[in-house]
Formats: sequence, structure tokens, C-alpha cells
Amino acid sequence: DSGVTQTPKHLITATGQRVTLRCSPRSGDLSVYWYQQSLDQGLQFLIQYYNGEERAKGNILERFSAQQFPDLHSELNLSSLELGDSALYFCASSVAPAGTYEQYFGPGTRLTVT
Amino acid sequence: KNQVEQSPQSLIILEGKNCTLQCNYTVSPFSNLRWYKQDTGRGPVSLTIMTFSENTKSNGRYTATLDADTKQSSLHITASQLSDSASYICVVSGRVGGYNKLIFGAGTRLAVHP
Repeated sequence: DSGVTQTPKHLITATGQRVTLRCSPRSGDLSVYWYQQSLDQGLQFLIQYYNGEERAKGNILERFSAQQFPDLHSELNLSSLELGDSALYFCASSVAPAGTYEQYFGPGTRLTVT
Repeated sequence: KNQVEQSPQSLIILEGKNCTLQCNYTVSPFSNLRWYKQDTGRGPVSLTIMTFSENTKSNGRYTATLDADTKQSSLHITASQLSDSASYICVVSGRVGGYNKLIFGAGTRLAVHP
């Protein structure tokens, strides 16, 4: 158990819908990262937050948005869902922005868009 | 362009045998290199983190090497076990746009057969 929690574990929804994925980082970690992993694909970095502020952006679509709240939990919002958005979405946390700090991954949320 | 390339893409070995996975990167400037193990459908778990001054680092049966001059790293697995079947991901941290950014390789999928 990495200490990073993600809810829900599984999510099935229809195209065009909007969903919110939630992540709670490890106690004491200020930085949160979101990743997308499509079937049999590598991890794609989406976005990073540090202490409530956006720190880095990766290949995140405009239909996707995220935020980190004062209690440090983070939410990833996916809207106008398409079939291709079906994937595993991982959240990770670290004490500080990625440098030599260890990054801990949550168990992921499996999103299925039908 | 900052890239991380891993080889082979997939590998099948027999239980008890050793194997070596390769990672070449072009990330510059370089901060550190990480190896992660990802079981199917689960979040990656860190195996090692190495800075440019470290040549080798071990974690049980896993030994990572780093040659910062040639920008190559390898992960050697000794006396493989069935539980080693997983994807192994090489991740390089570099300074991009003023921030440390993690750049992920596509991974090597290892299957250990009895």
C-alpha cells in the first residue's frame, strides 16, 4: 500500500458524459501528479500540482481539467468523454516536485467509456 | 527532444534465469533516473532512483546501473521468479521549462515462465 488513495476504483459511463476522479496523496506529500495509461500503452503524464498550484502540464486534453484543494487532495475532471478516453488513470504523490524525491502511485481508477 | 527509449519491448525468460533490460535517454540536463515495476492493472512501484553520480544501485535481486556519459542505464534481474512478471519502466528526471519533469519510457514487458 503506497498510501495514495484513489476513488472510484472503477467507473463506467457513456460518451459525452462528465466524470470526476479523486486522489488523496500520502500524508505529508505536497505534490500530486495525474497520469493516463491506455490499454497496453505506457504512462502518459497529464498534469502536476504542488501545494495547490499547477506546476507542470503534459499531454492533457482541453476537455480535461484538474485542481488541488487546500487539504491537498486532487480531482481530475474529464468531460465530453470519448471512447478513446477509456484508460487507467493514476495519481501519484511526492513530498516535493519531482527531483530526487520518491514518487508514490495510487492503485488507479479504471474508466470505461461506452 | 527529451526522450527515453527502452529495449527490448518484451521479453520471455524461464524462472531462475537472469535478464537485463536497457534504457537509453536523451534528457538534458539530467537530474536522476528511476526504474519502476508495474504489475498489470496496478500502479508502478519504485525499484531504484539514481543520480548522475551513482553508477549502480541494488534492491534485492534488482540491480540498476547508470552511465551518465553514454546516457544509458540497465536493470539486471537475478534468479528471476514468477512474480517478476511485470512491466519495467525507466523514468528520467530532467530540467524542462524551469522545472524538474519526469519523462517516461514505454516500458519492457517481462514474462517469467516456469
